[in-house]
Amino acid sequence: GAGVSQSPSNKVTEKGKDVELRCDPISGHTALYWYRQSLGQGLEFLIYFQGNSAPDKSGLPSDRFSAERTGGSVSTLTIQRTQQEDSAVYLCASSTVDGLSDTQYFGPGTRLTVL
Amino acid sequence: GESVGLHLPTLSVQEGDNSIINCAYSNSASDYFIWYKQESGKGPQFIIDIRSNMDKRQGQRVTVLLNKTVKHLSLQIAATQPGDSAVYFCAEKDAGGTSYGKLTFGQGTILTVHP
Repeated sequence: GAGVSQSPSNKVTEKGKDVELRCDPISGHTALYWYRQSLGQGLEFLIYFQGNSAPDKSGLPSDRFSAERTGGSVSTLTIQRTQQEDSAVYLCASSTVDGLSDTQYFGPGTRLTVL
Repeated sequence: GESVGLHLPTLSVQEGDNSIINCAYSNSASDYFIWYKQESGKGPQFIIDIRSNMDKRQGQRVTVLLNKTVKHLSLQIAATQPGDSAVYFCAEKDAGGTSYGKLTFGQGTILTVHP
């Protein structure tokens, strides 16, 4: 079946502009996660959604970052007034919550470059 | 804060050799561990996982060992192939008994397999 998809694959923007990154999770996965990966680094947790529960926003680096998940499926990560340090690959993952598997499956990522 | 780290940032092996990638973790409450493989320009790909109530798990050509006494995780790849060349990340999760939650990633080990 289809995996996690993300769009756009690449985004180049100017400092100060807002950007929106989209994630389509695997069908049936109720948990959705956003991570950020800076060049040559590991993944840094940003936020996750699970069903109708309040999202865990503990990883968001500043109030310029926000995310929403509509209808329990698609999610959008928004970065307002982008800064050069926001340049990174933004990865989305999804998982089931049936207790049978904890595996998070990742999408290909969106490479964000802030000029 | 809690962290997961790798002992060796790079590993070079000859095709056909066995590879061992190591990882140390510091959160004794972590109950789930996972290894991902990431190729250039792609998202992390699931390799194998293990729960804290196990000390060994085998997959196809891969084995994960968990030593909770010294908080150490390792990934063994048998008969390493050039296609195994990638960055390997370990990750841990302290889910508090749930099947979802944020992953904390190590910095990654670059595995290079020479023909």
